Amino acid sequence: AQTVTQSQPEMSVQEAETVTLSCTYDTSENNYYLFWYKQPPSRQMILVIRQEAYKQQNATENRFSVNFQKAAKSFSLKISDSQLGDTAMYFCAFMNPRGANSKLTFGKGITLSVRP
Amino acid sequence: NAGVTQTPKFRVLKTGQSMTLLCAQDMNHEYMYWYRQDPGMGLRLIHYSVGEGTTAKGEVPDGYNVSRLKKQNFLLGLESAAPSQTSVYFCASRYASGSGNEQFFGPGTRLTVL
Repeated sequence: AQTVTQSQPEMSVQEAETVTLSCTYDTSENNYYLFWYKQPPSRQMILVIRQEAYKQQNATENRFSVNFQKAAKSFSLKISDSQLGDTAMYFCAFMNPRGANSKLTFGKGITLSVRP
Repeated sequence: NAGVTQTPKFRVLKTGQSMTLLCAQDMNHEYMYWYRQDPGMGLRLIHYSVGEGTTAKGEVPDGYNVSRLKKQNFLLGLESAAPSQTSVYFCASRYASGSGNEQFFGPGTRLTVL
């Protein structure tokens, strides 16, 4: 079974600064997907970024980028130029795309606060 | 497109009462999922469906039943609600393949069982 660990329950960052959110996972699979989801106070789950394990290049989406270390099973999210709207809970998630039960396994989440 | 919608958005039940949560998607997705979110626990899979007429258990299925009579709808039922089922419930859906394997989430239903 896969597990996803987010060991930091809370983080805080000054507006316009850079922050990195950590995530580690455990799996015996070689092909899988990793995701970061954002959950603002509205409760809506929003996909921030995804990484396919077979791709060595780290994914980037505007101010959001990941540091994917496959051998270390680490998948951190870097948010550059933090904005007040980035205040939210962030979840790291793992998915094995093979088979019908291609569910998402989530970490416990981290609450990020961006200070003005 | 409305995407994934959930009905109702909020509900308060008394212990022992029953209710059904409705999830609807208009993206023609094959797969649909029900998750629950509890403080400090992340999201956990309750049940899922890979197509019309098929359902399967997830991590925490006890106390819940599901049905998928139509491709676009996935219903989650609580036959006899318990306080331990107080949670936020999310429905999600995705294509069987492609689209980056992204799951699209509904807005959630906050359920309180007294």
